[in-house]
Amino acid sequence: EVQLVESGGGLVQPGGSLRLSCAASGFTFEDYTINWVRQAPGKGLEWVSGISWKSDTIVYADSVKGRFTISRDNAKNSLYLQMNSLRAEDTALYYCAKGTLLRFFRSAFDIWGQGTMVTVSS
Amino acid sequence: DIVMTQSPDSLAVSLGERATINCKSSQSVLYRSNNKNYLAWYQQKPGQPPKLLIDWASTRESGVPDRFSGSGSGTDFTLTISSLQAEDVAVYYCHQYCTPPGTFGQGTRVEIK
Repeated sequence: EVQLVESGGGLVQPGGSLRLSCAASGFTFEDYTINWVRQAPGKGLEWVSGISWKSDTIVYADSVKGRFTISRDNAKNSLYLQMNSLRAEDTALYYCAKGTLLRFFRSAFDIWGQGTMVTVSS
Repeated sequence: DIVMTQSPDSLAVSLGERATINCKSSQSVLYRSNNKNYLAWYQQKPGQPPKLLIDWASTRESGVPDRFSGSGSGTDFTLTISSLQAEDVAVYYCHQYCTPPGTFGQGTRVEIK
C-alpha cells in the first residue's frame, strides 16, 4: 500500500523548534518530489515547501523562508521539516504529500498522509 | 506568487443537480512548451486529507467518478459535479503547480440543499 505517515508534531512555545518526519512506503521514494502542506484549524490549504527527488530543487513559501528547512533521506524513505523560530501562526496540521510525476518537480499531489498537528502557544 | 481565487465560497445544491465551482489564477498556469495547464482539483472531507480528483485541469484521476469534470485554460478553470451525490459533500480546492511556490484557492464548501 502506498502511504505517507507523518510524526513529530506537538505543543511548542513561540520561538521554539520542532522537527517533523514523514515516512514513505509502497513506492520508490527516491523518484518523487515530496512536499509539506499545512492547514490551520478551520482554514484552507497552504503549501509550505517542496524538495525534488535528488534534493537539487528546494522551494519554500515566503511565510516560512529562513525559519524552516526541508530535507530528505532517500536511503530511509523519509522526509523531514526542521521548524525554527515558531510563531502562533504556524499552528496547523502538517501534511506531507507526494508529487504525481516521476522525477519532475512541478506536479499535483496524489498521495497525502493523515497529518501531524503542530500547536505553537505559551 | 500566483493567487488562486475560487468562487463561490460555498454553495448548496439539490441531490442530482449540477454543482459548478470556479477558480481564477492571477497569472496564466498554461505552460506553452507542452500546452498543459498546471492546475489540479482536490476534494477534502471532514477529518480527512485532501484527495486528488483532477490534474492538468481536466484529467480525472483513476477511480474518480465521471460525474466530476474539469475544464478551462490559462487563468480560468471550472470543476463541475454533474449530478451531486450525498458523498460529494466536501470542501473543494484548486491548486496551481505551474510556478513555485504552488498555491491553493481558498476552498469552496459544497452542501446539500
